[in-house]
Amino acid sequence: GIQVEQSPPDLILQEGANSTLRCNFSDSVNNLQWFHQNPWGQLINLFYIPSGTKQNGRLSATTVATERYSLLYISSSQTTDSGVYFCAVRGGNKLTFGTGTQLKVEL
Amino acid sequence: GAVVSQHPSRVICKSGTSVKIECRSLDFQATTMFWYRQFPKQSLMLMATSNEGSKATYEQGVEKDKFLINHASLTLSTLTVTSAHPEDSSFYICSAKWRNTEAFFGQGTRLTVV
Repeated sequence: GIQVEQSPPDLILQEGANSTLRCNFSDSVNNLQWFHQNPWGQLINLFYIPSGTKQNGRLSATTVATERYSLLYISSSQTTDSGVYFCAVRGGNKLTFGTGTQLKVEL
Repeated sequence: GAVVSQHPSRVICKSGTSVKIECRSLDFQATTMFWYRQFPKQSLMLMATSNEGSKATYEQGVEKDKFLINHASLTLSTLTVTSAHPEDSSFYICSAKWRNTEAFFGQGTRLTVV
């Protein structure tokens, strides 16, 4: 099956800092999504981005499908951005999750 | 975004009993639903994929007879953990999508087997 690796696994930021999270996948995919998992376990959809670049407020994402990676940019980070960020890729009818990035934003 | 409702959010059951978890798509018809399991500080592991009206497709290593999945309608899928044991304790999350669009997730169910 498709392997999905995320980096870094852990990240600590000072409030206001910017960061880039990376998602690498091992095979061609039909689609890619980014999620934020809050402390209660709920997965929040951030981006549905099979290719190209999208922006939503302080967050933006870029997927380069031909090179099998996607990037999630967080600018001017806030404490509420803390949590786990997952990318998930769809190959066929399966949605496979990456290893996740645990982000902590400190005051 | 679309809404997927999962119930219960938390359940404690005795070892040997069965537990049913429901997953509903509230404002769209879900042609495909997924069931995931997540252990603490780990990623989500796909257990099975179900298409409406068809038998679920289970991932390798997932026991079909222990984790019964039913996707009887375009808005409802259920996961039944049969004869639960403490090692089945985990966080279970469902997901639903319409055809090739993005997937949305339920709130998750924290199962504790005592």
